[in-house]
Amino acid sequence: EAGVAQSPRYKIIEKRQSVAFWCNPISGHATLYWYQQILGQGPKLLIQFQNNGVVDDSQLPKDRFSAERLKGVDSTLKIQPAKLEDSAVYLCASSTPGTGEPEAFFGQGTRLTVV
Amino acid sequence: GEDVEQSLFLSVREGDSSVINCTYTDSSSTYLYWYKQEPGAGLQLLTYIFSNMDMKQDQRLTVLLNKKDKHLSLRIADTQTGDSAIYFCAEMDTGGFKTIFGAGTRLFVKA
Repeated sequence: EAGVAQSPRYKIIEKRQSVAFWCNPISGHATLYWYQQILGQGPKLLIQFQNNGVVDDSQLPKDRFSAERLKGVDSTLKIQPAKLEDSAVYLCASSTPGTGEPEAFFGQGTRLTVV
Repeated sequence: GEDVEQSLFLSVREGDSSVINCTYTDSSSTYLYWYKQEPGAGLQLLTYIFSNMDMKQDQRLTVLLNKKDKHLSLRIADTQTGDSAIYFCAEMDTGGFKTIFGAGTRLFVKA
């Protein structure tokens, strides 16, 4: 079974630039999550999709961050404009709630450095 | 709101047992997890426990859950140098399957 795929693995941008990350979840997983993991901290949920609808985006800084999941499969997370404090690893995860399997599967993440 | 707390560091000798502790606040959590993260890698699920269980054993791993105190622990028997990593405690809420993570415990294993 293929895992959660994310790209790019690394990205370095200057502050005020824009950046986009892509995630392809495990086939058939209805729920998709984007987490932000700042160095030395645990992952923080930014947004959760159920199919192509948003379930929770309470911690997404909506003035600069946006995410979409067209057709309920792949997802993109965008930051525009980026700030220095956005430097972090952005993790995508997917799961299948309701099947009795409580596990969320994580991708390897995209490491963003804003300079 | 929900919160998960862990101690930041633990150092053990190879062959000893490691015990990593965690406290959480959401009494309605359905599942509690332990994830492992090695440098440059994503999160790997080690084990999880359903909230109506007290203990779960999986090879070298033992998870203990004290629901009254909202305390979760992970015991690694015969700790090896390959166990050196960051271990995250996490809880899943009952509603939207949102998973809340602690800040992670960095385990150092000395040879």
